[in-house]
Amino acid sequence: GENVEQHPSTLSVQEGDSAVIKCTYSDSASNYFPWYKQELGKGPQLIIDIRSNVGEKKDQRIAVTLNKTAKHFSLHITETQPEDSAVYFCAARSLNSGGSNYKLTFGKGTLLTVNP
Amino acid sequence: NAGVTQTPKFQVLKTGQSMTLQCAQDMNHNSMYWYRQDPGMGLRLIYYSASEGTTDKGEVPNGYNVSRLNKREFSLRLESAAPSQTSVYFCASSEVPGIAGGNEQFFGPGTRLTVL
Repeated sequence: GENVEQHPSTLSVQEGDSAVIKCTYSDSASNYFPWYKQELGKGPQLIIDIRSNVGEKKDQRIAVTLNKTAKHFSLHITETQPEDSAVYFCAARSLNSGGSNYKLTFGKGTLLTVNP
Repeated sequence: NAGVTQTPKFQVLKTGQSMTLQCAQDMNHNSMYWYRQDPGMGLRLIYYSASEGTTDKGEVPNGYNVSRLNKREFSLRLESAAPSQTSVYFCASSEVPGIAGGNEQFFGPGTRLTVL
């Protein structure tokens, strides 16, 4: 099955700096890679996702990059703000044109702290 | 719309007791999921229901049973609780995931369960 490794487990940055979280995956059939943000006491929420036919995707201060050859993908947050403080999870899944794959494999999470 | 709701929010059980965690969604989603979240372990899929009337095992199904009561509701049952089942449990829902979309999973607020 799929195995997703996520680093670092904790990350502390100053407000305004950039933050980068990296994930690697093992199954070359995986082609869908979402990122979820979990605030304290809440459930995870999707913030951005990318498919393997795209190398980079941006949404305002958030971007995700994908290297299929190396099987790794990264989350980039620019101009960090205190409200970005949360736990971030990467995940991977294969999307099959002939059917659906429901199993999403998550990384272990990164606790991001943005210091004012 | 309430999204995904879970009850109860907190529960303490003694070893050997049974209980059912309830989940409901009002987004008319076909697919529903149960995850557990443990410190340093990320989110692990327990069971999922691709559509009303179907259920399948995820990564960590032992010790649990599920029921897809109707399209809105998906319950998780612990027949004989063990300390190893102390965790935070999240329910999620989505459209049918695939190439055309439906991949975002919407999470509930979680149930924090302690088994003594």
